[in-house]
Amino acid sequence: GAVVSQHPSWVICKSGTSVKIECRSLDFQATTMFWYRQFPKQSLMLMATSNEGSKATYEQGVEKDKFLINHASLTLSTLTVTSAHPEDSSFYICSAAGGGGYEQYFGPGTRLTVT
Amino acid sequence: QQQVKQSPQSLIVQKGGISIINCAYENTAFDYFPWYQQFPGKGPALLIAIRPDVSEKKEGRFTISFNKSAKQFSLHIMDSQPGDSATYFCAASMHTGNQFYFGTGTSLTVIP
Repeated sequence: GAVVSQHPSWVICKSGTSVKIECRSLDFQATTMFWYRQFPKQSLMLMATSNEGSKATYEQGVEKDKFLINHASLTLSTLTVTSAHPEDSSFYICSAAGGGGYEQYFGPGTRLTVT
Repeated sequence: QQQVKQSPQSLIVQKGGISIINCAYENTAFDYFPWYQQFPGKGPALLIAIRPDVSEKKEGRFTISFNKSAKQFSLHIMDSQPGDSATYFCAASMHTGNQFYFGTGTSLTVIP
């Protein structure tokens, strides 16, 4: 299957700082990328959907000014958590879709801890 | 509103047994139903998926049963192994490239 990578796999940052998470599709062109947040023992919560070259569409309740998403190319999307606070600590997962199929391919996730 | 309902929340099965996880949906516009397996600290991995034009799909030890009239689908894991211990999520989607609606997840433990 298609491969999606995320970087970094884990990050610790201080409260008030910003952190950027990269999501790359390694062997296919991702026309759409999705960003999810997952709390322990819970399901995946969709944060936003981004199409290459377009502004991201955010789910209700997700602050677009806090979670900045850029999908500048068909292989790269970034999520920047601005002015991070301890409550932003979570597991962030991206997925990518492309080629006209239904499948979404998930990255390995990024563990963010804000101290 | 939970678009896809999943049960049970947790499941314990003996090695060699059959694990069954069920999902139900309401929106008849859904036309793609995947199952994902997730290990702790990892991203979900696609296990198997089905479209509503078939009632069953089998890949190795994993089988999806799909009941369109009841709007239900289930995952069967035959000959369950300790290595199958993970969290399983069902999902549903409509149209290509659209968002997935995930179930709440089932934590499967296979005991030796």
